Amino acid sequence: QKEVEQNSGPLSVPEGAIASLNCTYSDRVSQSFFWYRQYSGKSPELIMSIYSNGDKEDGRFTAQLNKASQYVSLLIRDSQPSDSATYLCAVSDTGFQKLVFGTGTRLLVSP
Amino acid sequence: GAGVSQSPSNKVTEKGKDVELRCDPISGHTALYWYRQRLGQGLEFLIYFQGNSAPDKSGLPSDRFSAERTGESVSTLTIQRTQQEDSAVYLCASTIPGQGDEKLFFGSGTQLSVL
Repeated sequence: QKEVEQNSGPLSVPEGAIASLNCTYSDRVSQSFFWYRQYSGKSPELIMSIYSNGDKEDGRFTAQLNKASQYVSLLIRDSQPSDSATYLCAVSDTGFQKLVFGTGTRLLVSP
Repeated sequence: GAGVSQSPSNKVTEKGKDVELRCDPISGHTALYWYRQRLGQGLEFLIYFQGNSAPDKSGLPSDRFSAERTGESVSTLTIQRTQQEDSAVYLCASTIPGQGDEKLFFGSGTQLSVL
């Protein structure tokens, strides 16, 4: 079983819709959770981090964490074509000594 | 420097040759990571440095891969006797751990092509 699992997609949504990206992880001691965005041919960039159960909102982005279910998600409201990218889920232990990435979900937002 | 710098940006080599990839992290960043990303795939963890020590080398694919870091500065990833399956983008990232909101800053990567 992979440590961090994501559906590879592509996930296609129309402009203005809500995009929902999901991620599950296997290590119960994981404490830190991150969403990175990677445009084609570019390096990943951090868009959200979450450490506690519940929701965390930042602009159009909401990260959701459920440690009991070992599940973390990212919601993108009012999706824009510029949101089209691969979204990588990453999980770390308390010491942040090893950040493990999922394979990413490709999001396509159509005008 | 202003960001994480990696060199070379592109490297084409013949199977069996050795290659050395360089990463210059952001000044003051004590933690440094190497990842490999094959075409269309996610990021594969290779190695992590805290200062110049590597507490986790578990991701290195084989004994052909090695990495070192000088103090809290430059790191080099060396691949000996390259194979075609080594072809990938090698990404380096740095951060200051323990800040409460760790954010990895990635370099632009080295595109390695083994012919």
